[in-house]
Formats: sequence, C-alpha cells, structure tokens
Amino acid sequence: NAGVTQTPKFQVLKTGQSMTLQCAQDMNHNSMYWYRQDPGMGLRLIYYSASEGTTDKGEVPNGYNVSRLNKREFSLRLESAAPSQTSVYFCASSEGSVGKTQYFGPGTRLLVL
Amino acid sequence: QKEVEQNSGPLSVPEGAIASLNCTYSDRGSQSFFWYRQYSGKSPELIMSIYSNGDKEDGRFTAQLNKASQYVSLLIRDSQPSDSATYLCAVRTSYDKVIFGPGTSLSVIP
Repeated sequence: NAGVTQTPKFQVLKTGQSMTLQCAQDMNHNSMYWYRQDPGMGLRLIYYSASEGTTDKGEVPNGYNVSRLNKREFSLRLESAAPSQTSVYFCASSEGSVGKTQYFGPGTRLLVL
Repeated sequence: QKEVEQNSGPLSVPEGAIASLNCTYSDRGSQSFFWYRQYSGKSPELIMSIYSNGDKEDGRFTAQLNKASQYVSLLIRDSQPSDSATYLCAVRTSYDKVIFGPGTSLSVIP
C-alpha cells in the first residue's frame, strides 16, 4: 500500500499561471481533504470531500477548485496563482465520515513568484 | 477567539523528562480529539485519539481530556531526542469539521 500519494512534490509558478495538484489514496477511504500549511498557522482546510461525487468548502477555499474524480482521486486546481498561495499543500484521507483519523500525503511545496 | 489554541513554543525539555503539551478549544459540543506529530519537512502522523473524559495511555504517551474545561493535553514520558517535532492538536467540532491548532514545537535536549 502506497497510502496517500501527491504530485508534484515541488512546483514554482509565476503569478497568473494555473496548475492542478493531484492526490490519490489506495486505502478505500470515503473522505478526502486538501489543506495548506503556512508558518505559525497550522493546517487550514481548503476543501474536503465526504464521499465520491461530493465536495464542500473548508476554511480557506477562495482561489481554489477541487474535483473528486473517483473514490481514489481528489485534485486541487489553482486557476490563477497568486503569491499568497505560496504554501505547503497536504492531501489527506480518512475512513468513513469526517472526523476519523486522517492519513496525510507527503505534501507539495508551491512557490508562486 | 481561535477555535483550537496551542502554545506555539518552542518547548524545550531535557532527555528523560516529561513533556506536557496543551490544547484548548472553543466549541463545547466537540466530540473527538486527536494529537498528530509532524517532523520538520514531513507530513503529520497520528499519535493518539481520545473521545471520552479522562486519560488514555499508549506507551510513553498519555492523552488527557477534560470536556468541562474544554482542554486536552498530551504527556510524553521519558522524552527522547527523536520526540523533537511539532505536535498538532485537532478537534472534531459539533458542526462536523476537524479544526487543527497551530501546533507546539517540542525540542528534547540530549
């Protein structure tokens, strides 16, 4: 089992460029999440998906879109990147409903110039 | 008031001592509580979860929950240099969201 995988590991974008962060899990989990982590801010939820076909906004959704492609995959898209989106992005998944133990991917470091 | 608060630290303890990490939360209806450990440059990993008032022990780790005081703590006995990391408190709120605290940085000095 690979657990939760994320691609890419590191990305540099120019302001205004778009990109999609990919996440996949092989644990047959229902719930998947996207977080960003900034120094001193902890983990902040961007979007989550409680089950295949559903997505909901988290604490900081502005500037992002998500797609729950199937049960395994949950992607995060930045349509027009801004320097304020420079951060480390973590994908996570959990069995069953929101609130169960979350398993995290290795993270994507994004730098927007 | 932030929903989940932790002392940012850094908290420094000598090797072999007890490290005490604290977390408070604002939603009185919160149901589930989690402690995650995050090494520098790595992703968070679960150490313990606790759902009922009282203590829960797992090896050198003890989680303590007091819902009346809206307080959850993590004690690490016989601290080791390998325990040096950031510890994140997470709370499942009554409105079915999991909120993470900002984390406490722990440094165990050999």
